[in-house]
Amino acid sequence: KNEVEQSPQNLTAQEGEFITINCSYSVGISALHWLQQHPGGGIVSLFMLSSGKKKHGRLIATINIQEKHSSLHITASHPRDSAVYICAVERGSQGNLIFGKGTKLSVKP
Amino acid sequence: DVKVTQSSRYLVKRTGEKVFLECVQDMDHENMFWYRQDPGLGLRLIYFSYDVKMKEKGDIPEGYSVSREKKERFSLILESASTNQTSMYLCASTTTTGVGKLFFGSGTQLSVL
Repeated sequence: KNEVEQSPQNLTAQEGEFITINCSYSVGISALHWLQQHPGGGIVSLFMLSSGKKKHGRLIATINIQEKHSSLHITASHPRDSAVYICAVERGSQGNLIFGKGTKLSVKP
Repeated sequence: DVKVTQSSRYLVKRTGEKVFLECVQDMDHENMFWYRQDPGLGLRLIYFSYDVKMKEKGDIPEGYSVSREKKERFSLILESASTNQTSMYLCASTTTTGVGKLFFGSGTQLSVL
């Protein structure tokens, strides 16, 4: 079993829809990261969180440490949100991450 | 703007060649990482370094070595490239103080023929 599981693997949405991507993990962590990867390869860090909730624009990330679960929400989705979203958990303090396999999101106009 | 720069975006090499992938960061980060990304497997850690001249093996170090002679530069070396090393290679860096955001390079798509 993978230590970091994401669901769904693939997600297609209509522009304007509210989107949720889930991440569950089975190990103790110091932090959880949400990353975005557009076609072409570059990866951008969206959030890093160790408790509670963070918001940036239309993106919201939450984490429940007791349940070992995190969600990434996108409100009012737009075709430019189409990307692969990757959850990664950090153990210890040196930035060494364990990655989920990613969720491929496609937002149709 | 902070930057992690990888020397090549695309690279084509022959089996048996020695391959150098370079990564430079301008954020004075202590920690640097080399990952490879393959379809269906996600990102996997090859090597990481938390200081100059220090290195640690990741999950898949076989067939690779690394060099960190200066803080800003972390090189990945394929001593004798093989076709199963065809992959997207991503470099990343972060601070060592507490938990920090990870910054990625734009990746090098390596094809070994």
